[in-house]
Amino acid sequence: DAKTTQPPSMDCAEGRAANLPCNHSTISGNEYVYWYRQIHSQGPQYIIHGLKNNETNEMASLIITEDRKSSTLILPHATLRDTAVYYCIVRVGGLSGNTPLVFGKGTRLSVIA
Amino acid sequence: DAGITQSPRHKVTETGTPVTLRCHQTENHRYMYWYRQDPGHGLRLIHYSYGVKDTDKGEVSDGYSVSRSKTEDFLLTLESATSSQTSVYFCATGQGGRGTYNEQFFGPGTRLTVL
Repeated sequence: DAKTTQPPSMDCAEGRAANLPCNHSTISGNEYVYWYRQIHSQGPQYIIHGLKNNETNEMASLIITEDRKSSTLILPHATLRDTAVYYCIVRVGGLSGNTPLVFGKGTRLSVIA
Repeated sequence: DAGITQSPRHKVTETGTPVTLRCHQTENHRYMYWYRQDPGHGLRLIHYSYGVKDTDKGEVSDGYSVSRSKTEDFLLTLESATSSQTSVYFCATGQGGRGTYNEQFFGPGTRLTVL
């Protein structure tokens, strides 16, 4: 079973920041938080990941709480093309190799014009 | 993005027939995966491979077998298709270890309908 809890759906106005929460209260010390998204019926796409520090890349920012029990994915300026299902996944990372992903049901983000 | 192709992209078959889905990658990634996606279930792992001839079962492996005889190809076989195997099948690949993000790259999917 997925180790994360996400709201089933969220709306966001185009151009505004989209903040997607994720709870992972049972996360272990060697587990990373990964975010993927799936646009319509395409294959999922990697967005970002982190261990304990906040991370930022060209797509998004990831804020992880100090106790690591929750995190927030931030899309700073959401566009209509960001409408998708967003999955928060906890898994062993680093030198442990490329382990399988365990998907929950994710959050369906609708960006509204 | 990794060069991942899946074939066929769409298939309709009858109950009891064998079906083989192919995943081909051009990135020389070590790891390959097969997931299925059904409404209300998200993606679930069927089988995966961590190298040529090295495979392991996932969460929903019953009724499926896999083979990986070379790095670039990962085959998923339904020995005798059933209607419960109607689904969208995604292949994924990934590197692993030092210097990588351990992310996975997904193919476009194969939509399989078993009548």
